[in-house]
Formats: sequence, structure tokens, C-alpha cells
Amino acid sequence: SQTIHQWPATLVQPVGSPLSLECTVEGTSNPNLYWYRQAAGRGLQLLFYSVGIGQISSEVPQNLSASRPQDRQFILSSKKLLLSDSGFYLCAWRGQGFDEPQHFGDGTRLSIL
Amino acid sequence: AQKVTQAQTEISVVEKEDVTLDCVYETRDTTYYLFWYKQPPSGELVFLIRRNSFDEQNEISGRYSWNFQKSTSSFNFTITASQVVDSAVYFCALSGFILTGGGNKLTFGTGTQLKVEL
Repeated sequence: SQTIHQWPATLVQPVGSPLSLECTVEGTSNPNLYWYRQAAGRGLQLLFYSVGIGQISSEVPQNLSASRPQDRQFILSSKKLLLSDSGFYLCAWRGQGFDEPQHFGDGTRLSIL
Repeated sequence: AQKVTQAQTEISVVEKEDVTLDCVYETRDTTYYLFWYKQPPSGELVFLIRRNSFDEQNEISGRYSWNFQKSTSSFNFTITASQVVDSAVYFCALSGFILTGGGNKLTFGTGTQLKVEL
């Protein structure tokens, strides 16, 4: 069966520090991968998505970047964090079928001080 | 553009009551999929159900049931005999938009916080 792992679960970082959140998927190949942010409140905002190794698309301009160095690895990064980067970050994967749902990781709670 | 509206921000019920969560969507696509996700306090989003635009059959899974009505663009979710463990935020989502380069985009509603009390 497929599983998605996301870490760390919780992170507290000072303003201006770098960021690296990692997400890996097991049990499937060539998944579509997604990074979402959920700010205070409940809305889910799509940040990045990837349909293959090295292919990254950004949905909104921001202080963050994403990379996909391996088929089942998706990394969210920042060189200098801002206070506004605080939030709950969720990684998701889905298979290639048009009807397939997205499956989410457990999320990372990021607090910027 | 696609849009999903969950007008109920928060619902409180007493255990064993039935509760219906509303979802209304807008899309110009003729083929699309609708989803419900549950987000418990721990934070992860749990996939509950998928329904395609050509299948208007209602579905029941244990205490959960879903009513899809294309004529009113609604995909409502009912929990029968609610339990405390049902307390969570529930999201309705719509898929059908093809992102540049492939893949698809889920448009989420803003969620409904369900609180089930003893």
C-alpha cells in the first residue's frame, strides 16, 4: 500500500532562518506531488505541484521554493523565513488517473518567531 | 473558474444527532470529481469519498452518506447518529481543472467545523 511521510511534525524557526521540509511517498511510482499551506483558519492554499522529477510549478508568488530531486521526494524550502510563512504545511500525492483523490501527509506546523 | 462553498462555518450537535454538511460547487467543466475530506484535531486530511459528475447515485458507508445533486450543484454529507469522534473540520473539494503540465488541482471549500458533544 502507498504511504506518505512528512517531517518534521513541528518546527519553530526565527525570522530570517532557512527552511527545509521533506515529503516522501512509498508504494507508488511517478506520483503527482503537491505542497499546501493552511494558515490560521481553515483554507487550503496550493503552493507548488510537480508531475515529475525536476518539474515544479508554482501557484502563488512567495518566499518559498520547491524541488523534486527524486521521483517520490518533494522538498519545500526557503532561504529566509518571514513571519507570514507561519502555518500548517501539508504535502499530498495522487496517482495519474484523472479520478484519483489526493492523499495527504500528517503536516508540519511551522511557527516563525 | 471553479469554486466550492461551504456556507456552514461551524456546527454543534449533541451525540447521536444526525447532521448534514452542505457543499455547493461551481464549475464549467462537464467532467469533474467531488471529494470530501476530514481533518481531525491532529491535522492530517483524511480522504472520505469521491464522486464523479456522471454518477448521481447517493452513497452510504456506515453512518456516512452523501447526496449528490447535479441540478443544484450540491454534494452534501450526512452523518447519522453522530459521535464525539466525528468532531473535525470537513472539507468539500472539486477536481477537474488541469494544471499546466498535467496533474489536477483540487479546489477546496473553506471547511465546516463539526463539534459533537456528549
